[in-house]
Amino acid sequence: SQKIEQNSEALNIQEGKTATLTCNYTNYSPAYLQWYRQDPGRGPVFLLLIRENEKEKRKERLKVTFDTTLKQSLFHITASQPADSATYLCALALNYGGSQGNLIFGKGTKLSVKP
Amino acid sequence: EPEVTQTPSHQVTQMGQEVILRCVPISNHLYFYWYRQILGQKVEFLVSFYNNEISEKSEIFDDQFSVERPDGSNFTLKIRSTKLEDSAMYFCASSEIGNSGSYNEQFFGPGTRLTVL
Repeated sequence: SQKIEQNSEALNIQEGKTATLTCNYTNYSPAYLQWYRQDPGRGPVFLLLIRENEKEKRKERLKVTFDTTLKQSLFHITASQPADSATYLCALALNYGGSQGNLIFGKGTKLSVKP
Repeated sequence: EPEVTQTPSHQVTQMGQEVILRCVPISNHLYFYWYRQILGQKVEFLVSFYNNEISEKSEIFDDQFSVERPDGSNFTLKIRSTKLEDSAMYFCASSEIGNSGSYNEQFFGPGTRLTVL
């Protein structure tokens, strides 16, 4: 079955630095990857989606890369702020012939940005 | 900005009782999902729903679970006879339909915390 690993359970960085979170997967190549932010007791909030034929996606201070050879996605937050502190979830969907596949989630990386 | 809403925010029930969790997906979305997250664990897929029928379901979604779209706006998850291990946050999500070969982001609701005593 498909496995997703988010390498760090926790990541602590200083305000202003770039946070880099890693998501690795095994077995099948996903059709796309999504990154979500989750705050304690809240639902996941969608951040970025990257498709299997895309190498990189950007949105404001966020950047996602997708390397299907390495079976890895990297998620970057530049100029990090204490408000970015949260758990970040990687989720992938397999290709179901064009249908909207269900998401398989990683356990998440808890990011703490210190002032 | 449109969002997925869920009610109630917290439901406490006795083991063996039936519960219904309610969701209002984003209005122009056609795919609907239920996920759950046991405390401290990862988000797990339960079921997806499209065109008034189940599209996919996981091993977790056994005979005690059912979903329904009773009207044009609500999407419900029913658990017939709750067990202690059903205690979790239950998230509803929805997405637009993509063109063939394209995929769209799933938007999640705030969740219902189910506590089974």
